[in-house]
Amino acid sequence: NAGVTQTPKFQVLKTGQSMTLQCAQDMNHEYMSWYRQDPGMGLRLIHYSVGAGITDQGEVPNGYNVSRSTTEDFPLRLLSAAPSQTSVYFCASSYSAGGITEAFFGQGTRLTVV
Amino acid sequence: DAKTTQPNSMESNEEEPVHLPCNHSTISGTDYIHWYRQLPSQGPEYVIHGLTSNVNNRMASLAIAEDRKSSTLILHRATLRDAAVYYCILSKPGGGADGLTFGKGTHLIIQP
Repeated sequence: NAGVTQTPKFQVLKTGQSMTLQCAQDMNHEYMSWYRQDPGMGLRLIHYSVGAGITDQGEVPNGYNVSRSTTEDFPLRLLSAAPSQTSVYFCASSYSAGGITEAFFGQGTRLTVV
Repeated sequence: DAKTTQPNSMESNEEEPVHLPCNHSTISGTDYIHWYRQLPSQGPEYVIHGLTSNVNNRMASLAIAEDRKSSTLILHRATLRDAAVYYCILSKPGGGADGLTFGKGTHLIIQP
């Protein structure tokens, strides 16, 4: 059981470039989300999805797009990378939104924008 | 939204019990108390959660105060692999699609 898989693990981008961070889960979870973690800080929610075809913004959505065409996949797109987007990105999934089920996190993508 | 307060860091010795405190004085009646931990260079990992009663699982125990304004995560016998940042999080069931709100957590240091 792979759980939540994120690719790539590391990425360096130049300012203005675009890229997609991939996230896949094999647990048939409806709820998926993306977080970013800056040095010494907790995680902050970027976007989330409560099911295929349904996405919404979290706390820090600017500069990012998401889509959810299948239950398994929830890619995060950086439209035009900026140095302020240098961070570690985590994807998570859970059976439902809200607080009674555990969330499973991927290993993270460490992104540097130069 | 209800907030949690945790010490920035704690230190303990290997093979001893560890009690990690969390204050949540503005908790509502429907908020669940969750604990996650994040090992170095890893994603967060679920530890335990509860509502009113104390909870035990293979990783830890959760002791919840009678008034629910505080809780304690108990690691019964710490190992070096338990060195991590521990997050205490409140979350509502059902709704609350806005994810888990992570603070800075408690950095647990385990001395051999």
